[in-house]
Amino acid sequence: GAVVSQHPSRVICKSGTSVKIECRSLDFQATTMFWYRQFPKQSLMLMATSNEGSKATYEQGVEKDKFLINHASLTLSTLTVTSAHPEDSSFYICSSFLFGLEYFGPGTRLTVL
Amino acid sequence: AQKVTQAQTEISVVEKEDVTLDCVYETRDTTYYLFWYKQPPSGELVFLIRRNSFDEQNEISGRYSWNFQKSTSSFNFTITASQVVDSAVYFCALSDSSSAQWGAQKLVFGQGTRLTINP
Repeated sequence: GAVVSQHPSRVICKSGTSVKIECRSLDFQATTMFWYRQFPKQSLMLMATSNEGSKATYEQGVEKDKFLINHASLTLSTLTVTSAHPEDSSFYICSSFLFGLEYFGPGTRLTVL
Repeated sequence: AQKVTQAQTEISVVEKEDVTLDCVYETRDTTYYLFWYKQPPSGELVFLIRRNSFDEQNEISGRYSWNFQKSTSSFNFTITASQVVDSAVYFCALSDSSSAQWGAQKLVFGQGTRLTINP
């Protein structure tokens, strides 16, 4: 089946720094990718929809200036957490669609000290 | 607004027992998709099933079976003869009507049920 990769799988950073997470569709082109956030022992919450060649669409309550999304090509979307703080520590998961099925990346665990 | 409720936060059973995970959804849409995903400790989501709103047939896949009851807005998941490897968090999810075709679709997830199978 289709594969979506994420890099890095795990990142630890100091408070105030910015962190970039990459999401790639490995064997198909994805005009749309989704970014989810999952806090420990909680469900997945959609953060934003990443659209190739246009601005991302953010869900209510998600700060677009803090979570910068760039979908520069048909196989790559990046999520940058700017000026990260401990409360941003979470599991970030991206996904994309192929023929009506959603394929999830393996996730990136962000820990902000 | 769409909503998915998984009332069972945690379930613990002994290996070989059958277990049913409940999922109740709310939507005003007539066209929608329902999903079940498994999330093992590694964190990666594993797709289990997708069911569209017009197909109420129950489905069986090995030890897994799903019961879709539109009348009660439920999409329950049963594992027969559970095994330790079934231990994971299971999520039920619902798509919205604007994405009920082949395009990308937003998913609304339930809170998840943590299933522990004890040897």
